[in-house]
Amino acid sequence: ETGVTQSPTHLIKTRGQQVTLRCSSQSGHNTVSWYQQALGQGPQFIFQYYREEENGRGNFPPRFSGLQFPNYSSELNVNALELDDSALYLCASSGVGESYGYTFGSGTRLTVV
Amino acid sequence: ELKVEQNPLFLSMQEGKNYTIYCNYSTTSDRLYWYRQDPGKSLESLFVLLSNGAVKQEGRLMASLDTKARLSTLHITAAVHDLSATYFCAVDRDYKLSFGAGTTVTVRA
Repeated sequence: ETGVTQSPTHLIKTRGQQVTLRCSSQSGHNTVSWYQQALGQGPQFIFQYYREEENGRGNFPPRFSGLQFPNYSSELNVNALELDDSALYLCASSGVGESYGYTFGSGTRLTVV
Repeated sequence: ELKVEQNPLFLSMQEGKNYTIYCNYSTTSDRLYWYRQDPGKSLESLFVLLSNGAVKQEGRLMASLDTKARLSTLHITAAVHDLSATYFCAVDRDYKLSFGAGTTVTVRA
């Protein structure tokens, strides 16, 4: 059973640029959620994808967008980067049923300068 | 909007003593999770609590859930240095997690 893999692990971008973060879900999981964790804070829900469709969104502007692919892997895209977008971005995959739970990836540390 | 409050936010523990972290939440939930995070690392799942009165224990950690009071506690027994980390509770509603601000735990000799 594989875990959740995120890439890249670290990234430095300039304000105004665009970035794509990637996540491969755990085997058997069909749902992927993305979270933003600013330094010293708890993670904040960005959005969730289920069977390639967005299934809920947190309080993030439209410049945060995502995709889920047929193999349940996912991308998070952020356009027009701002300094406040600097954070750890966590991907979590999940399945369904009584043992429902979330497996988090190791995260992508994004720094916007 | 679902709000999750943890306290204390910082906890300095003495080795060998017992401590409790509290997690209050504002509306009904489906499940409650506790996670551990080491500096610069991802979230490690500790417990998932599914129903009122649920109690789970792993080593020196024990978590409980009171859905009527909308309160979960994480009890640490005989603290050891290895428990130094940040602990988060997260409330799952409609398969979306709302996290508390975290409790940063430091265990001193």
